[in-house]
Amino acid sequence: DGGITQSPKYLFRKEGQNVTLSCEQNLNHDAMYWYRQDPGQGLRLIYYSQIVNDFQKGDIAEGYSVSREKKESFPLTVTSAQKNPTAFYLCASSMGTGGQPQHFGDGTRLSIL
Amino acid sequence: RKEVEQDPGPFNVPEGATVAFNCTYSNSASQSFFWYRQDCRKEPKLLMSVYSSGNEDGRFTAQLNRASQYISLLIRDSKLSDSATYLCVVSPYSSASKIIFGSGTRLSIRP
Repeated sequence: DGGITQSPKYLFRKEGQNVTLSCEQNLNHDAMYWYRQDPGQGLRLIYYSQIVNDFQKGDIAEGYSVSREKKESFPLTVTSAQKNPTAFYLCASSMGTGGQPQHFGDGTRLSIL
Repeated sequence: RKEVEQDPGPFNVPEGATVAFNCTYSNSASQSFFWYRQDCRKEPKLLMSVYSSGNEDGRFTAQLNRASQYISLLIRDSKLSDSATYLCVVSPYSSASKIIFGSGTRLSIRP
């Protein structure tokens, strides 16, 4: 089945720790995205990538980093510089960036220990 | 003014009712429009794209009004399973960074 797989489903971060959220897609989509959703809020764009080895900051990139070494994979690292990391993280992909609907993975819930 | 605005609701309607949501957007250059559905603690799922001429998918009808800069979603004969949050998404053709998700409208269908 084609789709987007995020792992883990739940993640706990200790003070000062970096954690990495995985996102893999087998839809052959060029573009991939990371969003953060806080309770009762809309989605906010963290980073996006239109092509392998290239990515751009979104609205709230501070405290996060990404890589895009393979078309299928777009991992997100939540660094210790992100002081309020507790949120629902969603990865998405689309055929292109403009005019194409995005398809989402089922998300990772990150909490602070 | 927010770039994409939705009435947060909640809309609480009886099963079988017709319910409509509007979503207004501020960027007149916006070119692509979508409605997503998000269940509690789940990921958003694409419900339908919105085309200039309006489009229908079963009980769901989406319309675009460029002059007044809003899109609408109409749900007829609502089912209990329609209870969810409905997200409006607005995007220009060229820039991923300008894709804007509304905060969503909560819909609750009661028996």
